[in-house]
Amino acid sequence: TQLLEQSPQFLSIQEGENLTVYCNSSSVFSSLQWYRQEPGEGPVLLVTVVTGGEVKKLKRLTFQFGDARKDSSLHITAAQPGDTGLYLCAGANNFGNEKLTFGTGTRLTIIP
Amino acid sequence: DTGVSQNPRHKITKRGQNVTFRCDPISEHNRLYWYRQTLGQGPEFLTYFQNEAQLEKSRLLSDRFSAERPKGSFSTLEIQRTEQGDSAMYLCASSPGPGGTAGPQHFGDGTRLSIL
Repeated sequence: TQLLEQSPQFLSIQEGENLTVYCNSSSVFSSLQWYRQEPGEGPVLLVTVVTGGEVKKLKRLTFQFGDARKDSSLHITAAQPGDTGLYLCAGANNFGNEKLTFGTGTRLTIIP
Repeated sequence: DTGVSQNPRHKITKRGQNVTFRCDPISEHNRLYWYRQTLGQGPEFLTYFQNEAQLEKSRLLSDRFSAERPKGSFSTLEIQRTEQGDSAMYLCASSPGPGGTAGPQHFGDGTRLSIL
């Protein structure tokens, strides 16, 4: 069974601070996706990383896929209240066209 | 709006009743997935379709659960004889599929099921 563990589970920081969320597994994934979910809504795709060591940037968000494709991180620079939400990593095989194995989630709160 | 659409958004029912949810995927997406999410957890895979064919079912999908995608477009998920443990958010996602890197999954806003 493939498992993805995220840390921290909860994170509350002041506006303007930087933070990193980690997603770790003992399994290899062909791709890894990061989603953000608001209460009462479905997960919204932020990014897909495919190549080991790949780094992608989305404005103040930087995503990295581990060299061995077993782990990933999400770094947010100068966090803003709009970044508040549940961040989920999800691993997939066959380039995301089969079932996703989701991480346990990181609930992020940015305090104004 | 051309995103994934799910109906109803909320369903409250008594234990033992049957419920059916509907998912309309993004147009021209061949793959459709169902997931279940309980409070404080990430979504868990239930089943997925390639066009009208159901290709995989999770062990979570007991005999009381059945999913269909009769014409390869919308899908329904039925739960028979609901139990309190069925209370969860049921999420549907679709992707272009199959193969290649063109297939990240896009999610609907889910149906929240509450069993009284």
